[in-house]
Amino acid sequence: QVQLVETGGGVFQPGTSLKLSCSASGFSVYQYAMHWVRQGPGGVLEWLAVLSYDGKTIYMPDSKRGRISVSRDDSRNTVFLQLNGLTFEDTAVYYCARALYTFGAFYYYALGVWGQGTTVTVSS
Amino acid sequence: QSVLTQPPSVSGAPGSEVSISCLGSSSNIGANMDVHWYRQVPGSAPTLLISTNNIRPSGVPDRFSVSRSGVSASLDITGLQADDEASYYCQTHDVSLTTWVFGGGTKVTVL
Repeated sequence: QVQLVETGGGVFQPGTSLKLSCSASGFSVYQYAMHWVRQGPGGVLEWLAVLSYDGKTIYMPDSKRGRISVSRDDSRNTVFLQLNGLTFEDTAVYYCARALYTFGAFYYYALGVWGQGTTVTVSS
Repeated sequence: QSVLTQPPSVSGAPGSEVSISCLGSSSNIGANMDVHWYRQVPGSAPTLLISTNNIRPSGVPDRFSVSRSGVSASLDITGLQADDEASYYCQTHDVSLTTWVFGGGTKVTVL
């Protein structure tokens, strides 16, 4: 069964960092581009980053450069998101999602499998 | 402000048809990038509903269809049912920003 499970959410103080994990089952993360998306209290989906299937390329919005890092542990079939310098605006549900298809031109691919999300609250 | 613009809400009577628009630009929808639509009910993660050329995951009925013209795309729902009540998001890739972008979401209400 194809599944993604995010963990690592919780309550964080402003200025600190978080590292979320996305554990995959039923497929191998090294065959798919893997995305991180968040949804704030207002409900808008915000795309954060994608790690290419070969692990060589990470795309993210310019506004997030310097704050986000994405990594992968193929032996654990897990992808990670680290977010530094937390602010109240980082409060959201964080989802990882898998590209619909393996390899290839993942720019075109839908986000075909989503995890259930992990909740991050930034509060002093 | 989302790169893709959707109406905040649409509504329709059971059995009717509703359409949700998704306005982009020449660097995303207008660049012929595939447009994907997701459905989300409260408390759950989004799920892929349909993509360009009406490619649907298994189990999605053909009451859902998509179209596009220029820098816009649309999701049409025919034969509206009570369990179609959800939020719907469009998504595509922006070639200028080299980012994946979402619309702000549209809440569908069945009257």
